[in-house]
Amino acid sequence: EAQVTQNPRYLITVTGKKLTVTCSQNMNHEYMSWYRQDPGLGLRQIYYSMNVEVTDKGDVPEGYKVSRKEKRNFPLILESPSPNQTSLYFCASIKKRLAGGGSYNEQFFGPGTRLTVL
Amino acid sequence: GQQLNQSPQSMFIQEGEDVSMNCTSSSIFNTWLWYKQDPGEGPVLLIALYKAGELTSNGRLTAQFGITRKDSFLNISASIPSDVGIYFCAGRPNFGNEKLTFGTGTRLTIIP
Repeated sequence: EAQVTQNPRYLITVTGKKLTVTCSQNMNHEYMSWYRQDPGLGLRQIYYSMNVEVTDKGDVPEGYKVSRKEKRNFPLILESPSPNQTSLYFCASIKKRLAGGGSYNEQFFGPGTRLTVL
Repeated sequence: GQQLNQSPQSMFIQEGEDVSMNCTSSSIFNTWLWYKQDPGEGPVLLIALYKAGELTSNGRLTAQFGITRKDSFLNISASIPSDVGIYFCAGRPNFGNEKLTFGTGTRLTIIP
């Protein structure tokens, strides 16, 4: 079954304690992305990756790091979490689709990770 | 970053009613996407639009890519209970650029 998995699904931690949220996809997609979802703000892109060892900042990258050492995994790292990083995080694996002269990306989202930083 | 204004923020409607929501941008997008998020899950793609003026349907859902490339509309006809959720628009500014900007979402609640 094609899927995107995230772990953990829920995490409560304290300020400054490094954490990693893992993301894995089994669809052999080149593109992957991380988003955070906050009430009233929708989804905001944190980082995205076009391929192994190729990453770029999204709209809200401050306080986050990512790595892409292999195609299937795209972990999100918070070196020193702060309370303003309390949020719902989604990883997405992206399939590029061609359609009648144009193209678009279909993002397959993981189930989400709810993070609370105290 | 770019801003997408989505309205309304929330809707309370009765089953069977039609629903309309829209997204507007301060800049041009080359692709518009509409997603739905069920409670406790990640968003799922509903409709993709890639040409200005395009009108595309997916069952009871119809979406349009605005002619100015700065807006998009989603309509749901004859709503049913499973339509409940949060609907997001998303835009991609440039071909070949995989950055997506999401709207703030429209929360749809259906009153039995």
